[in-house]
Amino acid sequence: KAGVTQTPRYLIKTRGQQVTLSCSPISGHRSVSWYQQTPGQGLQFLFEYFSETQRNKGNFPGRFSGRQFSNSRSEMNVSTLELGDSALYLCASSPIQGARTEAFFGQGTRLTVV
Amino acid sequence: GENVEQHPSTLSVQEGDSAVIKCTYSDSASNYFPWYKQELGKRPQLIIDIRSNVGEKKDQRIAVTLNKTAKHFSLHITETQPEDSAVYFCAASIKDKIIFGKGTRLHILP
Repeated sequence: KAGVTQTPRYLIKTRGQQVTLSCSPISGHRSVSWYQQTPGQGLQFLFEYFSETQRNKGNFPGRFSGRQFSNSRSEMNVSTLELGDSALYLCASSPIQGARTEAFFGQGTRLTVV
Repeated sequence: GENVEQHPSTLSVQEGDSAVIKCTYSDSASNYFPWYKQELGKRPQLIIDIRSNVGEKKDQRIAVTLNKTAKHFSLHITETQPEDSAVYFCAASIKDKIIFGKGTRLHILP
């Protein structure tokens, strides 16, 4: 079975721009969660999608948004980028919704905002 | 609030010795506690998890203990080896979300 795939692996953007990141879950997994990883802050929960609906949301501003398609692939969008948005963005897929079982992580997209 | 505290942030142990990482959580309703290992430049991977109906779980050199009353859980690694060097994250299910601690960087000294 193919693992969780995130594209692109690396991105460099300018302040004020917007960016879209993509995540393809493991086949059969319907839950996709997104995390922001920065040194010293660990993994911070952004949101979870299940069956094309956002089920949970973390404490991030509205500039961070996402969506999920009928094939469970998910995208995350960040608008009006700030320098502080530079981070590794990880997505994770699970077969069921909610925090009840193992999450399988992708390799991440490293976003640098200059 | 939705909080998972993890200590220490850095831990150095001699190869062959044991390592212990401790976490506390805020929500008494939390019922799932996974631990993830992230090697340098790689994705986090689950190494062990425990549910609230169990007090201890062991898998070879790794064990996790849970004290629901105190809202504490700990990871124990025995007979540490060089390949155990990594960042370890504890996590707890809080209101249907997995909330992670900030991580412990474990160094295994030769």
